[in-house]
Amino acid sequence: DQQVKQNSPSLSVQEGRISILNCDYTNSMFDYFLWYKKYPAEGPTFLISISSIKDKNEDGRFTVFLNKSAKHLSLHIVPSQPGDSAVYFCAASISGTYKYIFGTGTRLKVLA
Amino acid sequence: NAGVMQNPRHLVRRRGQEARLRCSPMKGHSHVYWYRQLPEEGLKFMVYLQKENIIDESGMPKERFSAEFPKEGPSILRIQQVVRGDSAAYFCASSPSFMNTEAFFGQGTRLTVV
Repeated sequence: DQQVKQNSPSLSVQEGRISILNCDYTNSMFDYFLWYKKYPAEGPTFLISISSIKDKNEDGRFTVFLNKSAKHLSLHIVPSQPGDSAVYFCAASISGTYKYIFGTGTRLKVLA
Repeated sequence: NAGVMQNPRHLVRRRGQEARLRCSPMKGHSHVYWYRQLPEEGLKFMVYLQKENIIDESGMPKERFSAEFPKEGPSILRIQQVVRGDSAAYFCASSPSFMNTEAFFGQGTRLTVV
């Protein structure tokens, strides 16, 4: 049972444009969400997180939006840069616990 | 994620051998997590440890897999009698607490069973 889903395995975007990566979850108990970026042969790197008390969190070029009623979150990267090309994982957890449930990832390719 | 150190980066084992994967958490972090990534899949939680305690091992296969985080030294993920299906990337992560803080991942150990 995949509780966190990233339905787009890949995405290509032109440099300078916006990248939008999507993530859906099924467990309404999740209240903390994170995005990680992963380059080949490296470990995931934390990007940005959001608590369910918010609907938006911004950090530089990265913004995460949370729609609790739709059980959906998205990561916006503006402007996209070639160095952003990587696999992006969303993860969810329940406060007071410690397990992150990861999606299967979306491979972003930013074209120069 | 440079602070979480995993070794070895690559490990090749023959079927039936033992694999030991090591993880040193970031300084000041007392919570360690192990995740496994199979090809074309996301990361799957395996086990959560604090110093000298296994808190949750619900993601660990019941047989052949064990983990420890001793008072001194790194956390160890041990796989006995490896089989081809154990081939995967194993990632360790650490955090200062488990309350809504991001975990920092190491670079992983890629285990290949031949």
